[in-house]
Amino acid sequence: AQTVTQSQPEMSVQEAETVTLSCTYDTSESDYYLFWYKQPPSRQMILVIRQEAYKQQNATENRFSVNFQKAAKSFSLKISDSQLGDAAMYFCAYRSALTQGGSEKLVFGKGTKLTVNP
Amino acid sequence: EPEVTQTPSHQVTQMGQEVILRCVPISNHLYFYWYRQILGQKVEFLVSFYNNEISEKSEIFDDQFSVERPDGSNFTLKIRSTKLEDSAMYFCASSQQGWTEAFFGQGTRLTVV
Repeated sequence: AQTVTQSQPEMSVQEAETVTLSCTYDTSESDYYLFWYKQPPSRQMILVIRQEAYKQQNATENRFSVNFQKAAKSFSLKISDSQLGDAAMYFCAYRSALTQGGSEKLVFGKGTKLTVNP
Repeated sequence: EPEVTQTPSHQVTQMGQEVILRCVPISNHLYFYWYRQILGQKVEFLVSFYNNEISEKSEIFDDQFSVERPDGSNFTLKIRSTKLEDSAMYFCASSQQGWTEAFFGQGTRLTVV
């Protein structure tokens, strides 16, 4: 079974600074997808960024980018120019690629609580 | 922008009662999911639903749980006889295909007393 580990329960960053959230995962599959979701105090789950494992290029979405290291099974999220609205729980998640007969479900890490200090 | 909507936002129920949580997925999506998050813990998969049947379920999704798509728009989760440990945030999600990203609703907070 796949597992996702987020080793940082809490992180803090100064407004306008950069912060990196860590995520590692364990899988025997070669094709899969990785996601970062944001959960603000409202508790809604919001997709931040997605990475396909077959792509070597790291995904970026505006101020959010990932560092995907497939061999190391590492998938970190970098938030540049942090804003107060970035304060939230951030969850890393894994999903199999169905082309391999994999599971449709998302497997989540335990989350990292990000605080942004003004 | 299309979104997944869930009702109610908060439900309080007595132990042993049945509850139905409702979701309206994004209209052109084909895959539907329920997840739950016990307070302070990680998000856990309950069930996935495709082509009017359950395609996958977790060990949490026992006989007390059922899902239904009664019409072309709603997707429901029923808990037949609630237990205290069912208290959690329940998220509905949908995706266009099984491998595309899942979009989540805002969640229903279920409190069993």
